[in-house]
Amino acid sequence: NAGVTQTPKFQVLKTGQSMTLQCAQDMNHEYMSWYRQDPGMGLRLIHYSVGAGITDQGEVPNGYNVSRSTTEDFPLRLLSAAPSQTSVYFCASSLKPQGANEKLFFGSGTQLSVL
Amino acid sequence: AQSVTQLGSHVTVSEGALVLLRCNYSSSVPPYLFWYVQYPNQGLQLLLKYTTGATLVKGINGFEAEFKKSETSFHLTKPSAHMSDAAEYFCAVSVLGTSYGKLTFGQGTILTVHP
Repeated sequence: NAGVTQTPKFQVLKTGQSMTLQCAQDMNHEYMSWYRQDPGMGLRLIHYSVGAGITDQGEVPNGYNVSRSTTEDFPLRLLSAAPSQTSVYFCASSLKPQGANEKLFFGSGTQLSVL
Repeated sequence: AQSVTQLGSHVTVSEGALVLLRCNYSSSVPPYLFWYVQYPNQGLQLLLKYTTGATLVKGINGFEAEFKKSETSFHLTKPSAHMSDAAEYFCAVSVLGTSYGKLTFGQGTILTVHP
């Protein structure tokens, strides 16, 4: 099983450029989320989705957009990249809501640098 | 609101020594507690979790954690460290307060194992 697949693994952007981080899962999970990981700050929730067509903001949503047109895919869009968005991004999925004692399945991450 | 504090951003042990990674949590309702491990250049993997019942939880790779309500702690231990245990470890707490719930991660502890 592929699990959660993220692409690309590495990306360098210039300030103001846009890009989309891709995330796909093949486990038929309804719940998907995006996190950013910064040194000394753990993982912080950016956006999440409880099913196709339903998304909501997490802890640090500014500068990011998401959509969920299918159960499998949950892309994260940076409309105008800023140096503050330099980070490692993780996509995660689960069968049940996060708070319901549920294990998250993580992708291998995208390392993004904004110059 | 819940929160997690991991004491010590870096822990160094010798191979064969006891591993102790500290985690304290704050939650207004009974929490679900998790330890995740992140090996270099990989996503997070679930190590173990506490739901209800037995307070001593055993996980993969010989790790275990004990839930102590009176101390609001969920420390991770392993009797004998192995070189392959070198990784970053995250403690997390979740509460099902909304349709999605919320999983809050600690800042992470990097474990280094010396031969």
